[in-house]
Amino acid sequence: GQQVMQIPQYQHVQEGEDFTTYCNSSTTLSNIQWYKQRPGGHPVFLIQLVKSGEVKKQKRLTFQFGEAKKNSSLHITATQTTDVGTYFCAGYSGGGADGLTFGKGTHLIIQP
Amino acid sequence: DSGVTQTPKHLITATGQRVTLRCSPRSGDLSVYWYQQSLDQGLQFLIQYYNGEERAKGNILERFSAQQFPDLHSELNLSSLELGDSALYFCASSVVGDSYEQYFGPGTRLTVT
Repeated sequence: GQQVMQIPQYQHVQEGEDFTTYCNSSTTLSNIQWYKQRPGGHPVFLIQLVKSGEVKKQKRLTFQFGEAKKNSSLHITATQTTDVGTYFCAGYSGGGADGLTFGKGTHLIIQP
Repeated sequence: DSGVTQTPKHLITATGQRVTLRCSPRSGDLSVYWYQQSLDQGLQFLIQYYNGEERAKGNILERFSAQQFPDLHSELNLSSLELGDSALYFCASSVVGDSYEQYFGPGTRLTVT
């Protein structure tokens, strides 16, 4: 079945440093979604990417979808303590039979 | 607040027992998804229902079952519970199907002793 790998598993940064998490799928995706889960909270939808090579920005967050639609990245510029949490990518390959496949997430830990 | 509600918030039960988790989707959402989140396995998709019908199946054990009722709320039934079933169980909903963003509920933390 479809697999979505996400790296790194943990990332420690100093406040103000940049952060990037990478997502790779074993199959071509129809779309990819990104979610954020704060400690003790539930996943919250951030964005969906659909087109090959798509780049979307949300303030300090930049999301990219690879040309082959098999990989994606999330980059945060100048991290703040409010960015703490786990960032998940979730890929949908279409067809509906397998649902959305989540990566294991990247835990972002920020040291003030 | 995502608009998705889940009950109960916490559940402690013994091995071999059976429990039912309940989820009410956001108003207007037709799809309901169930996920299991444990420390070592991340977020595992269990099953999806769309407008009362099973739509997609993930890594759901045979001891687990779910259904979606005419009012669109859903229940996840877990039976013959084992220690390894201890986890956070999330319900999510979306307008239609898999290509749409999902809204997660606050989760039910299940502890099997």
